[in-house]
Amino acid sequence: EPEVTQTPSHQVTQMGQEVILRCVPISNHLYFYWYRQILGQKVEFLVSFYNNEISEKSEIFDDQFSVERPDGSNFTLKIRSTKLEDSAMYFCASSAHIPGRTYEQYFGPGTRLTVT
Amino acid sequence: KQEVTQIPAALSVPEGENLVLNCSFTDSAIYNLQWFRQDPGKGLTSLLLIQSSQREQTSGRLNASLDKSSGRSTLYIAASQPGDSATYLCAVLAGNYGQNFVFGPGTRLSVLP
Repeated sequence: EPEVTQTPSHQVTQMGQEVILRCVPISNHLYFYWYRQILGQKVEFLVSFYNNEISEKSEIFDDQFSVERPDGSNFTLKIRSTKLEDSAMYFCASSAHIPGRTYEQYFGPGTRLTVT
Repeated sequence: KQEVTQIPAALSVPEGENLVLNCSFTDSAIYNLQWFRQDPGKGLTSLLLIQSSQREQTSGRLNASLDKSSGRSTLYIAASQPGDSATYLCAVLAGNYGQNFVFGPGTRLSVLP
């Protein structure tokens, strides 16, 4: 069964450093998303991406964040200058618009980002 | 602004019991509602998707219902097993383009052998 994959599974970085989290969505999906979950808290929406542009973003997704689909398979989240509060599990998801199953999202296993 | 709540926050039951998890949302203008399972430190596994026009969905021992007008969904788990132990998350799809998932805080379920 097709699945969303994410790399790395765990990333440790120092405050102020740039990180890039990588995702490979399900191959025929057209909508891509990033979410994050700070330890012990709710899963929060960051951004959605369609047709090579951001279609929706939350207040969390400020200028420190960017997303890109650099080729036909990868979808990346870049954090320009990490802060301690960026430590969280980051989930990538993808969906297809299928009649009767509108925007059902499939999640990857997550990347745990630890900022020290 | 859409808010999603779930009760109870935690539940511990003996194996074999039937149980109900509750999800409430404040804005009935949703595209769909999904129930997910999350094991500790792991990703999200989709369990059931209910479109806004549907009232319930079933998969195996799981049954989810949706009442948009009252802003509520329930997840019914029949004949619970220790392997069902996990956190169950409810999420509603809203937003300007129906792509913004709003998650509840989850119900942490423990099924005791």
